Amino acid sequence: ELKVEQNPLFLSMQEGKNYTIYCNYSTTSDRLYWYRQDPGKSLESLFVLLSNGAVKQEGRLMASLDTKARLSTLHITAAVHDLSATYFCAVDIMYSGNTPLVFGKGTRLSVIA
Amino acid sequence: DSGVTQTPKHLITATGQRVTLRCSPRSGDLSVYWYQQSLDQGLQFLIQYYNGEERAKGNILERFSAQQFPDLHSELNLSSLELGDSALYFCASSAPLAGGGSNEQFFGPGTRLTVL
Repeated sequence: ELKVEQNPLFLSMQEGKNYTIYCNYSTTSDRLYWYRQDPGKSLESLFVLLSNGAVKQEGRLMASLDTKARLSTLHITAAVHDLSATYFCAVDIMYSGNTPLVFGKGTRLSVIA
Repeated sequence: DSGVTQTPKHLITATGQRVTLRCSPRSGDLSVYWYQQSLDQGLQFLIQYYNGEERAKGNILERFSAQQFPDLHSELNLSSLELGDSALYFCASSAPLAGGGSNEQFFGPGTRLTVL
C-alpha cells in the first residue's frame, strides 16, 4: 500500500525565518505534487516534480525531489504571514497515466510576527 | 479559478437521506476524481472516471456511487447518510495522459456536506 508521510504536521514559524517540510513516500511512481490549502478552501497546485533532482521555485517556496531517497522537500525562505496555510504533498498511485493521488496528512503552517 | 466547478457549495441534510453532488471538469479533461476530506481521515480518494468509464476505486463505501456522463460531468451519489459522512467532497480533473508525464490534478471548490 502506498504511503505518503509528511513532517512536521504542525509548524509555527516566525516571519523572516527559513524552514523545510519533508515528504516521504513508499512507491516507485516518482511523480510528486505539492498543493496549498487555505482554511475552508480548495486545493491549489503549487509544484509538479517528475524526475530525480527536479527543483522548482516560486517566490519564497522551493520544492525538490530525490527519487532514490523517495523524498521531497518544500523549503520556505524568509517566511511571511501570507504563507500561512496547509501544505500537502501527493504522489500518483501508478508511474504513468491518469491515476489517483495519495496525499500526505498535510503540514499546517502558521507564520507569526 | 481552476476551471473545475462543483455544486452545491453547501449541503445540510439529515441521517438516512440521499444527496447528489455534481462536478464539471476543465475543458478537455477526460479524468474526474472524487476525494473526501475529513478531520480524522485527511484527504481520501474515492473513485475515478475516465471518459465515462470507471477507472479506479478507492475507499468508497457501498452506500456511495458515482457516474460520468457523455458530456463528461460527473455526479457522486451518497445514500443512507450517517453523521460520519459529514466532510468536504472535492472533485478534481486532469488532462489526458498515456505516459509518465504530469498528472497534475485541478480541484474544484468542493461541497461541504453536513449530516445532522
